[in-house]
Amino acid sequence: DVKVTQSSRYLVKRTGEKVFLECVQDMDHENMFWYRQDPGLGLRLIYFSYDVKMKEKGDIPEGYSVSREKKERFSLILESASTNQTSMYLCASRPILVPRDSPLHFGNGTRLTVT
Amino acid sequence: SQKIEQNSEALNIQEGKTATLTCNYTNYSPAYLQWYRQDPGRGPVFLLLIRENEKEKRKERLKVTFDTTLKQSLFHITASQPADSATYLCALRPGGTGRRALTFGSGTRLQVQP
Repeated sequence: DVKVTQSSRYLVKRTGEKVFLECVQDMDHENMFWYRQDPGLGLRLIYFSYDVKMKEKGDIPEGYSVSREKKERFSLILESASTNQTSMYLCASRPILVPRDSPLHFGNGTRLTVT
Repeated sequence: SQKIEQNSEALNIQEGKTATLTCNYTNYSPAYLQWYRQDPGRGPVFLLLIRENEKEKRKERLKVTFDTTLKQSLFHITASQPADSATYLCALRPGGTGRRALTFGSGTRLQVQP
């Protein structure tokens, strides 16, 4: 079974802090994604990476950056945390298949609170 | 603008009945549509995929339909059980050579009463 592991289930940070959210997958998947999930808004894509050192902005990249130095690891960075970044953050991965419809495998999320 | 809409109100049904959840989309021409289940405090888990040239897909007690004319997918759970209580999300990938990432609806919470 594919395992996507997010390093923390809960995090509490202060406004202005630099925050790192880590995600590791164990199935050699090329694509990795970061979403945030808020009540009534569903999952919104922040960034994704289709391979090592490759990244693309999603729908709401402002205030975030990402790093993909190794295939199995995809980090989300909040450069200067703000209270409106309080949310559930979900990491996902999937392999590249033809046709390109392989499902996402999600981690269990990191609930971040910024005070 | 592009939108994916799922009923935000919770769906409450009795055990044994069929649950039907709706996913409507606007201004997309999706290559395929996926359904996920999400339990509280957990990440979504993939259930079913249906492609644009398929009308219906089944897996055990689950059935998904896809009507590209109505721009709608229906997700059915037959003989529902309390263990089916969860939030169900639809997600689609736009067709063509656009972005490769999935876009999700906000989900519908299903509550199956014993």
